[in-house]
Amino acid sequence: EIVLTQSPATLSLSPGERATLSCRASQSVSHYLAWYQQKPGQAPRLLIYDASNRATGIPARFSGSGSGTDFALTISSLEPEDFAVYYCLQRGSWPPLTFGGGTKVEI
Amino acid sequence: EVQLVESGGDLVQPGGSLRLSCAASGFTFSSYWMTWVRQAPGKGLEWVANIKEDESEKYYVDSVKGRFTISRDNAKNSLYLQMNSLRVEDTAVYYCARGVLVPDYWGQGALVTVSS
Repeated sequence: EIVLTQSPATLSLSPGERATLSCRASQSVSHYLAWYQQKPGQAPRLLIYDASNRATGIPARFSGSGSGTDFALTISSLEPEDFAVYYCLQRGSWPPLTFGGGTKVEI
Repeated sequence: EVQLVESGGDLVQPGGSLRLSCAASGFTFSSYWMTWVRQAPGKGLEWVANIKEDESEKYYVDSVKGRFTISRDNAKNSLYLQMNSLRVEDTAVYYCARGVLVPDYWGQGALVTVSS
């Protein structure tokens, strides 16, 4: 089973700042990594798939990068609605699909 | 508009059973794999199971194998999760989602609480 480790657990930033979230896999997942955003009481929302492709309707301030075992989600300039928890998901080796533990981006 | 609406969540005693349903609309249900993902209170996301369009392939996380069964009815645009021998650690919000490897649309979830 591939384990995904997200860091940091919490990121404290202000609106307008740049956020960089990390996701590290225990073994290579090629480029098969996705990122989700989840706000309290809501379902997860797909942001990025296959490491760097934005999902439909996702603003350009969200970008993904990486391959193999090291990935990053960057939010170029935080908007108030971006404060949430972010999860990575790998499909490079499944079953099982596995999620990272999450990074909370807080004000 | 794609919509997924879960139902069937409830409070159940350890060892009990429950069946979750997910009603799909706004897309051709029979053309998509479907997935169940759960989230324990205050915790992260955990993939539970997924099912191919024609039910010919089904996959489960090890912790639910032999206890949970995923199924679907394409004529009714519905996805199901039959949960037997429930444990306290199965307590979670259960989400149904469209797609197999990169679930793109998710329902709002159904709360399952396993407690005596």
